[in-house]
Order: sequence, then structure tokens, then C-alpha cells
Amino acid sequence: DVKVTQSSRYLVKRTGEKVFLECVQDMDHENMFWYRQDPGLGLRLIYFSYDVKMKEKGDIPEGYSVSREKKERFSLILESASTNQTSMYLCASSPVPVTKETQYFGPGTRLLVL
Amino acid sequence: EDKVVQSPLSLVVHEGDTVTLNCSYEVTNFRSLLWYKQEKKAPTFLFMLTSSGIEKKSGRLSSILDKKELSSILNITATQTGDSAIYLCAANWVGKLQFGAGTQVVVTP
Repeated sequence: DVKVTQSSRYLVKRTGEKVFLECVQDMDHENMFWYRQDPGLGLRLIYFSYDVKMKEKGDIPEGYSVSREKKERFSLILESASTNQTSMYLCASSPVPVTKETQYFGPGTRLLVL
Repeated sequence: EDKVVQSPLSLVVHEGDTVTLNCSYEVTNFRSLLWYKQEKKAPTFLFMLTSSGIEKKSGRLSSILDKKELSSILNITATQTGDSAIYLCAANWVGKLQFGAGTQVVVTP
């Protein structure tokens, strides 16, 4: 069975803290993605990665960075958390290319920045 | 600018009703359109549609893509309370997904 796991389901941080969100997939997928989901805005792509040590900006990369040192792990980093980064964060993975397969999502991390 | 628009944003129906959700897309290098159902947590995959126009069905759910209108509909017949969820559509282009805002469906007993 396909599995994408995220390190935390709920997280509360203070403004200015550095925040790490971890995502691990066990399907040997090349592609991994980080989205944030906000009411009325749907899922918006923050960053994605097609391979180890490779990253590309999505639609809303400002205030975020990512790291992919190993194929199965994709980390999202908030260098200095701000209240407008309070959101649900979803990680996904997919094989190459995304034509016959879908993206598989993790359970999400609900982040609250105070 | 690439975009995916879903309508309505939300609706409330009674058990047994039929629901039709709409998704229109405007993306370059379009490959396929995907529908997801999201309850409390991760979106789960429902259908993938291509420009072939072939209707996809799974139980009470069905979906089809109209490549001329650049749109897709998702139908749910004989709705049940378990169909209450956010339904997301996403256009697939060059290996990425562009999501719409979602339609929140509430099915009341």
C-alpha cells in the first residue's frame, strides 16, 4: 500500500521560530511536493522536487525553503515563521511522469503560528 | 495565467439528492484532469480524465471531461452522509497539479 507520512499532525509555533516539516514516502517515487491549503484558495504549490538534491519553486515559495537529501524524504522549512503561514500543509509524492498515476498525499500538518 | 475554477464553492443537499460539481481549467500543456475527495485529512484520488472524453464511473460517482469547453463535471447520485467532503479538481500539466479552490458538499440526513 502506498504511504506518505508527515512528522506532525498538529504544530504550534511562535512568530520568528524556525519550523521543520518532514515528509517521508515509501514508494520510491521521484517526485515530491509541498502544498499549503487555505479555505477558499484550495491547494497551492510551494515547492517540488523531481530528484534528490533538486528543487523547484512552485506558486508561493516566499518564506519557505526545502531540502531533499534522500529520495524518500522531503523537508519544508519555514526560516522565520509568521502568522500568515498558519495553514494546513500537505505533502505529496508521485512517480514520473504524472500522466498515468496520481499524486499520493500525506495526512497533513496543521500549523498554527502565534 | 493558468487557473482552475470550481463551482459552486459549497452546497448543502439532502440524502438521496443528485449533485453536480463543475470544474473549468485554463492551463498550458494540459495533460489530464484529476478529481479528489477530501474528508478530514489527506485528499484521496477519485478519477483521472483525459481529452479522450471517456466517462469514468465508480459506484454512484461519475465524471467526464469536455475538451471543447475546457471543463469537467463530477456527478454524485443518491447522495449519502458519507459523501460530505470537499471535492477538489486539479489540472495536470508537465507533472504538476494546479488545484481549484474546491467545492464543499454537505449531505444532511
